[in-house]
Amino acid sequence: GAVVSQHPSWVICKSGTSVKIECRSLDFQATTMFWYRQFPKQSLMLMATSNEGSKATYEQGVEKDKFLINHASLTLSTLTVTSAHPEDSSFYICSARDRDRGSYEQYFGPGTRLTVT
Amino acid sequence: EDQVTQSPEALRLQEGESSSLNCSYTVSGLRGLFWYRQDPGKGPEFLFTLYSAGEEKEKERLKATLTKKESFLHITAPKPEDSATYLCAVARGDYKLSFGAGTTVTVRA
Repeated sequence: GAVVSQHPSWVICKSGTSVKIECRSLDFQATTMFWYRQFPKQSLMLMATSNEGSKATYEQGVEKDKFLINHASLTLSTLTVTSAHPEDSSFYICSARDRDRGSYEQYFGPGTRLTVT
Repeated sequence: EDQVTQSPEALRLQEGESSSLNCSYTVSGLRGLFWYRQDPGKGPEFLFTLYSAGEEKEKERLKATLTKKESFLHITAPKPEDSATYLCAVARGDYKLSFGAGTTVTVRA
């Protein structure tokens, strides 16, 4: 149980284009999903919190117009990196809280490797 | 401000050589302490949740314990497949997690 998927697992895009990453909870409903990025040999950095049916809240220093988050249903959140630049290249990971468990545990997806050329 | 500090940064073990990883934390109002395992190029895999001092959880060769200021992840008789980065995180009242930098464990056969 508590499986989270991400798509795509890796993507290469050209500078200036946009790319969308999907995060799905497969066997539970998630009122809250989180988006992280991770640089090589570093820990996870929280970018934003996504709540179903409401606007995402962004951590300090994260540009909300650049990283668009949509949480349209209890099982799907999307992150769109707009006008991507090489410095946006990173490993993006989503996580989700199980609505029915009422706990603080987060279950993570497998991650998406973004490379901007 | 919440702080999570993990030590050591890296740990190299011989197969069968037991050891412990440390996670010290300061947080206002602990809502839970979590251990995750992360393999290279993968997302973190949930291992344990601990809620109160004195609590212990076990899974195969791993055992997690919690005190009021720190948590330990004990690896008993490790195997090469236990090689990974182990992450510690604490939960805040807003459901967000604060992560430590991780301990990278390498187990040699």
